[in-house]
Amino acid sequence: GQQLNQSPQSMFIQEGEDVSMNCTSSSIFNTWLWYKQDPGEGPVLLIALYKAGELTSNGRLTAQFGITRKDSFLNISASIPSDVGIYFCAGQLEGGSYIPTFGRGTSLIVHP
Amino acid sequence: KAGVTQTPRYLIKTRGQQVTLSCSPISGHRSVSWYQQTPGQGLQFLFEYFSETQRNKGNFPGRFSGRQFSNSRSEMNVSTLELGDSALYLCASSRTGGWTEKLFFGSGTQLSVL
Repeated sequence: GQQLNQSPQSMFIQEGEDVSMNCTSSSIFNTWLWYKQDPGEGPVLLIALYKAGELTSNGRLTAQFGITRKDSFLNISASIPSDVGIYFCAGQLEGGSYIPTFGRGTSLIVHP
Repeated sequence: KAGVTQTPRYLIKTRGQQVTLSCSPISGHRSVSWYQQTPGQGLQFLFEYFSETQRNKGNFPGRFSGRQFSNSRSEMNVSTLELGDSALYLCASSRTGGWTEKLFFGSGTQLSVL
C-alpha cells in the first residue's frame, strides 16, 4: 500500500518548547489530516487540510499542506504536559477512496 | 451524543482461536471502518462498511472479516488467530464516509494472542 514517512519517530522535550513534525510521501494527496492519540484512547482529528499551500491553525497547533501535495507539517507552539501523546498524519490519495493512509506516528513526551 | 463504543476493551486469546469484536457507531453514522494498530506497522486499514455492505477493503488475509447490521453496528471477526494478530483494533464512524467528513474513533479493543 501507499507509504507515509512520518518523522521524527519520537520526541522528548521540555514544557514550553516548540515542536515540529512532518510527513512525506512519494504520492500526491488530496487531503492531509493530523490526529492525536492519547494513551488508551482512539485518535482524534486535530486539523484537516484540503488545498496545496494551505496553512491552518487550531489553538497552539499549526499545520501546512505542502505545495507539492506530497508532504505536510505540524507545529505545536509552547508545549504543555497535556500535549503528550502520539501524533499521526494521514492522507487521502488523489483518485483513491476516502479511506486515509496513516503515518506511523510521532510519540511526544513533554517534561514539566 | 454518545461516542463510538467498542467492546470488549481487552481480550486475551490463544493461537488458533477465533475472536469477535464489536463496534457501535455514533447515532446517525452509517459508515464504520476498522483499523489494526501495532507499534511496528502503525494504523492499517482493514475494511469499511456502509449500509450493511463492505465498501472498501484493506490488504489483510481472509481470516479477517466483518459485517454490519441494519442499525449500523459492526462486528469484526478474526479466525485462526496468530501471534502477529496481537494489536489494538480501532473502529471509526462517520455519517456517510464522504471525503470531507470527520472520522470519530472508538477507544479500541486490545487483543493479545498467546
